[in-house]
Amino acid sequence: DTAVSQTPKYLVTQMGNDKSIKCEQNLGHDTMYWYKQDSKKFLKIMFSYNNKELIINETVPNRFSPKSPDKAHLNLHINSLELGDSAVYFCASSQDRKRGVNTEAFFGQGTRLTVV
Amino acid sequence: RKEVEQDPGPFNVPEGATVAFNCTYSNSASQSFFWYRQDCRKEPKLLMSVYSSGNEDGRFTAQLNRASQYISLLIRDSKLSDSATYLCVVNQRGENTGFQKLVFGTGTRLLVSP
Repeated sequence: DTAVSQTPKYLVTQMGNDKSIKCEQNLGHDTMYWYKQDSKKFLKIMFSYNNKELIINETVPNRFSPKSPDKAHLNLHINSLELGDSAVYFCASSQDRKRGVNTEAFFGQGTRLTVV
Repeated sequence: RKEVEQDPGPFNVPEGATVAFNCTYSNSASQSFFWYRQDCRKEPKLLMSVYSSGNEDGRFTAQLNRASQYISLLIRDSKLSDSATYLCVVNQRGENTGFQKLVFGTGTRLLVSP
């Protein structure tokens, strides 16, 4: 059983299109994240949610809109895709709680987005 | 200046060698530290946490120097399967939010050859 699963694994699309990436975790974690890994392999946090509430929004363009229907799901919708959006997007989850002890983050397999 | 800095490598070593990676971080309020491993075209996975007193897990030893804001990872008796990118990760718990934020270094690539 995959702990953090995201779909699709690969996504090739044209500039200007709108696309979504879905993420689900079956670990019972309260906190989920979206990370972007660019061509230089730099992994940077985009958003984090705790129990469906937005916690971190790292100055990501508002073309990116995360949605968390429940604490097991965190989807990412991207409007008006640009060439610079090409990257690998990783979903992750952790047992993190407010002012709790620090915990490991578990990552999904990544979605490789290519904008042409 | 990046929040977490690592030498990107690659480090090319023969099997059986000992290799060390270093990492520096800029935020002195960082609270906890980790090494993650990422294989080519795969997701990052936790390798080990880093404790102030230093800690060891088999062939892997991690050390933390809070005064110098410096973290290290030592791999002894390198195996072919150790070839991967090693990511230094710093946890900054937000004062306002109370939630953790993992900040990743750019990673150090290790290639172990026969």
